[in-house]
Amino acid sequence: DADVTQTPRNRITKTGKRIMLECSQTKGHDRMYWYRQDPGLGLQLIYYSFDVKDINKGEISDGYSVSRQAQAKFSLSLESAIPNQTALYFCATSDAAGGLTDTQYFGPGTRLTVL
Amino acid sequence: GQSLEQPSEVTAVEGAIVQINCTYQTSGFYGLSWYQQHDGGAPTFLSYNALDGLEETGRFSSFLSRSDSYGYLLLQELQMKDSASYFCAVRGGGRGSTLGRLYFGRGTQLTVWP
Repeated sequence: DADVTQTPRNRITKTGKRIMLECSQTKGHDRMYWYRQDPGLGLQLIYYSFDVKDINKGEISDGYSVSRQAQAKFSLSLESAIPNQTALYFCATSDAAGGLTDTQYFGPGTRLTVL
Repeated sequence: GQSLEQPSEVTAVEGAIVQINCTYQTSGFYGLSWYQQHDGGAPTFLSYNALDGLEETGRFSSFLSRSDSYGYLLLQELQMKDSASYFCAVRGGGRGSTLGRLYFGRGTQLTVWP
């Protein structure tokens, strides 16, 4: 079984709809991240959480919200989806005790299309 | 803040050697990492350099010069399966004694031709 899972893997929705993307991990890591990827723009950080009680904004948090329901679960919500939120979304985890590398482990991604 | 620069595209033929450069600006330095991402797939960790010099892992090597704020990923004996995007990343400082998050470059698309 995959260590970091994302649901759904693909989603097509309409402008104005509320969407939730979910991420679960079995790696026992404290740190979790949500990234957005658009062609040519690399990985842009939306939100990150260093533990259950810690939530931090990334560079592109506008239009998004998150919830860290448990150590293993981190969900991303689009309250009112708009077409320019069409992108590939990745969840990632890292181990706070993992030393300086902070190696990140990515889920398979969710491809979201907003019409 | 942190910023990273890497070329957007690199092309090479099978069997060749290619070098992907990364220059960075960061407040506090905790090492340079490299990630690989195949088209449509998830990024995966490749290598990490905390100290100056070359780290070798099979066909891939990564180099760091802290004084020049520069590093590179060297791929030897290129294979078609090496066609992918490659991202460099640096770690930022956090609050108190906690180290911060990773900052990624925009990625370099490597195309390997037969």
